Amino acid sequence: QKEVEQNSGPLSVPEGAIASLNCTYSDRVSQSFFWYRQYSGKSPELIMSIYSNGDKEDGRFTAQLNKASQYVSLLIRDSQPSDSATYLCAARSRNSGGSNYKLTFGKGTLLTVNP
Amino acid sequence: KAGVTQTPRYLIKTRGQQVTLSCSPISGHRSVSWYQQTPGQGLQFLFEYFSETQRNKGNFPGRFSGRQFSNSRSEMNVSTLELGDSALYLCASSGTGDEQYFGPGTRLTVT
Repeated sequence: QKEVEQNSGPLSVPEGAIASLNCTYSDRVSQSFFWYRQYSGKSPELIMSIYSNGDKEDGRFTAQLNKASQYVSLLIRDSQPSDSATYLCAARSRNSGGSNYKLTFGKGTLLTVNP
Repeated sequence: KAGVTQTPRYLIKTRGQQVTLSCSPISGHRSVSWYQQTPGQGLQFLFEYFSETQRNKGNFPGRFSGRQFSNSRSEMNVSTLELGDSALYLCASSGTGDEQYFGPGTRLTVT
């Protein structure tokens, strides 16, 4: 069973601080990784994708990937109260049959940004 | 470009009934995936359709089925509903890349 693990939180940070969200995955051949943001009562919204080792920056968001350690992280700089949401990490991993791929999601980390 | 749409948004059914949910992907996207989201289990993959063929399937019982039409619209069906089927059902579409874009979901309540 291919898994994606996240700390469920809640992670609480003050406004303006850096929020750091972490994720590990078990399928060593995973090549594509995604971060989604889900507000309460809403559907997940794609915010970042990363495919290569290293950092990828998009505005206040930085995704980091370390395939050797099977670790993905998301940094949110200058956190705002509007960033308060559940953040889902996903990895494109092999399905149980081994021949097809699917997105496997972690259970998410609840982030609260306090004004 | 219009996003993924799902109908209906909310549904209340009784145990033993069946239900059909609909999903229209982003224009030009040919892959549609379905997920079940519950507080306890998180997002669980149901199946994926591409060009009217089921390309991938998760670990759900045969009561859960789906199909895709030539215009890429997809439906999923759940027969003989159980209380445990109460969940948010999400569909996501993708184009040529691996990114998936979710619709607003259908909230199903089984009583």
